[in-house]
Amino acid sequence: DQQVKQNSPSLSVQEGRISILNCDYTNSMFDYFLWYKKYPAEGPTFLISISSIKDKNEDGRFTVFLNKSAKHLSLHIVPSQPGDSAVYFCAASGSDTNAGKSTFGDGTTLTVKP
Amino acid sequence: KAGVTQTPRYLIKTRGQQVTLSCSPISGHRSVSWYQQTPGQGLQFLFEYFSETQRNKGNFPGRFSGRQFSNSRSEMNVSTLELGDSALYLCASSFAGLGRGDTQYFGPGTRLTVL
Repeated sequence: DQQVKQNSPSLSVQEGRISILNCDYTNSMFDYFLWYKKYPAEGPTFLISISSIKDKNEDGRFTVFLNKSAKHLSLHIVPSQPGDSAVYFCAASGSDTNAGKSTFGDGTTLTVKP
Repeated sequence: KAGVTQTPRYLIKTRGQQVTLSCSPISGHRSVSWYQQTPGQGLQFLFEYFSETQRNKGNFPGRFSGRQFSNSRSEMNVSTLELGDSALYLCASSFAGLGRGDTQYFGPGTRLTVL
């Protein structure tokens, strides 16, 4: 039973436009959410995180939105750049032992076209 | 600060052999987690070590084991390798560990190929 789901395996956007990557989770004990970016042949790189006490966190071109009632979070990248092309993983963790395993989604491959 | 390092970067083994992978966390980080990444399965959590103790464990068979040393360096061992063990094995470190609002930092991974 997958607790974190990224339902879109791929996304293609034009340079300069907004990229929106989505993530859904099922475990209500998750209270910390993270996005990672991964280039081929490299390990994931931390991008941005959000605690469940917030509904938005912004860092430069990257903004993460959290909707706790819908158990949904999204990552907005604006404006998108060709260098943003990578696989993006959503991850969730919680304060109790069971949820503390940092569950990851399967990733969404973002392609930003020049 | 130096990042998370993993050795070796690439490894080729045959079925039935065993393998040991190594991970050195960021200085000061006491939590080390291991993940397996395969094309069809995404990132799968293997286990987490904190202060030399296994604190969390994923759903992998007993052939997968690990340990952590007093300097927080960690090793992962896979015995009796199977073809399906071919994957990228990622190590991640953090200060406080999983489930504590902490961010993990990943190493580059070890690409294991089982022939």
